[in-house]
Amino acid sequence: QKEVEQNSGPLSVPEGAIASLNCTYSDRGSQSFFWYRQYSGKSPELIMFIYSNGDKEDGRFTAQLNKASQYVSLLIRDSQPSDSATYLCAVDLGAGSYQLTFGKGTKLSVIP
Amino acid sequence: NAGVTQTPKFQVLKTGQSMTLQCAQDMNHNSMYWYRQDPGMGLRLIYYSASEGTTDKGEVPNGYNVSRLNKREFSLRLESAAPSQTSVYFCASSEGQPNQPQHFGDGTRLSIL
Repeated sequence: QKEVEQNSGPLSVPEGAIASLNCTYSDRGSQSFFWYRQYSGKSPELIMFIYSNGDKEDGRFTAQLNKASQYVSLLIRDSQPSDSATYLCAVDLGAGSYQLTFGKGTKLSVIP
Repeated sequence: NAGVTQTPKFQVLKTGQSMTLQCAQDMNHNSMYWYRQDPGMGLRLIYYSASEGTTDKGEVPNGYNVSRLNKREFSLRLESAAPSQTSVYFCASSEGQPNQPQHFGDGTRLSIL
């Protein structure tokens, strides 16, 4: 069974700080990596996706991928209370796959 | 532009009853998916349809059937509901190439007594 592991948290950070969310995956053949944000009682919302090693930035969000270490992370700069949510990491099942495996999520709490 | 629309939003069933969950997308996506989300288990894929006319099993297909009615619509049927199928069900769609982002509907909260 291909696995995606996330620390369940909760991760608490003060407002304005950088929140760092981490994810490891088991399948070396995985090629696409996604971060979703899910507010309590709501559906997952796509925040970032990354396909290549290195960093990808979008506003306050940066996704980082290290395929050699099978590690993907999400940094949230200038964290706001509205960023408080559960963050889901999702990874494909290899080249040509339509399926994603999701981690169980990390709950982030931004303290005002 | 509604995106992915699921109906109903809430439903309560008795054990043994049948039900169909509906999903429609207006993004001209080729691929559609059904997930369930349970506390402590995360999102798990039930079935998916890579393109119109095809369906494939995901991680947890037992007790479910699907129909890809046309490019826009993908339904999930519970033939004989069981309490273990109490969950939140999400439909998602993607453009239709492998390894693409998926976009989710608002979900259906289903309770089976």
